Amino acid sequence: GQQLNQSPQSMFIQEGEDVSMNCTSSSIFNTWLWYKQDPGEGPVLLIALYKAGELTSNGRLTAQFGITRKDSFLNISASIPSDVGIYFCAGLNTNAGKSTFGDGTTLTVKP
Amino acid sequence: DTAVSQTPKYLVTQMGNDKSIKCEQNLGHDTMYWYKQDSKKFLKIMFSYNNKELIINETVPNRFSPKSPDKAHLNLHINSLELGDSAVYFCASSLSAGGGGQPQHFGDGTRLSIL
Repeated sequence: GQQLNQSPQSMFIQEGEDVSMNCTSSSIFNTWLWYKQDPGEGPVLLIALYKAGELTSNGRLTAQFGITRKDSFLNISASIPSDVGIYFCAGLNTNAGKSTFGDGTTLTVKP
Repeated sequence: DTAVSQTPKYLVTQMGNDKSIKCEQNLGHDTMYWYKQDSKKFLKIMFSYNNKELIINETVPNRFSPKSPDKAHLNLHINSLELGDSAVYFCASSLSAGGGGQPQHFGDGTRLSIL
């Protein structure tokens, strides 16, 4: 089945630093999604990308849908302590019936 | 108002018991899912129902049986619980089953611990 490689697996950064994480796949997706999971809660959608090459921002977050449709990245600028959590990418194809999730990037922000 | 709510939030039980987890969504979505998140935080899909019909059944032991009485509810019954079933189980819903790339809304999870 389809698999996503999400990297890095974990990041330890200082407050104020920028963060970048990405997902790559051996197959094409026509939708890329980025979720954040806070401790003790379920994943929450951050950004949805529907078109190859699309660059979308949500506050300090920016995500891009790769031109090849096989990758996506998420950037967080000027990180703050509440950015701590697990970030998941997910790829989705029309009528596939499910999303394929990456294994997550655990972000720790030191004040 | 909670969009996707699942109960209980915590479930501690003995090996060999049978237990159920309930999920309800008030978003008017057609599709609901069950995911298992293990200790490494990997999210694995277990089941998906679209308008009460099973559409995805990943390689899950048949001790796990989902039931969808209507499209707003998807419950998960687990028979003969084993130590390896300890995990966080998430319910999710989406407008449709992937058509048009519909994002999923997740519940807050049920933390199942088997003693």
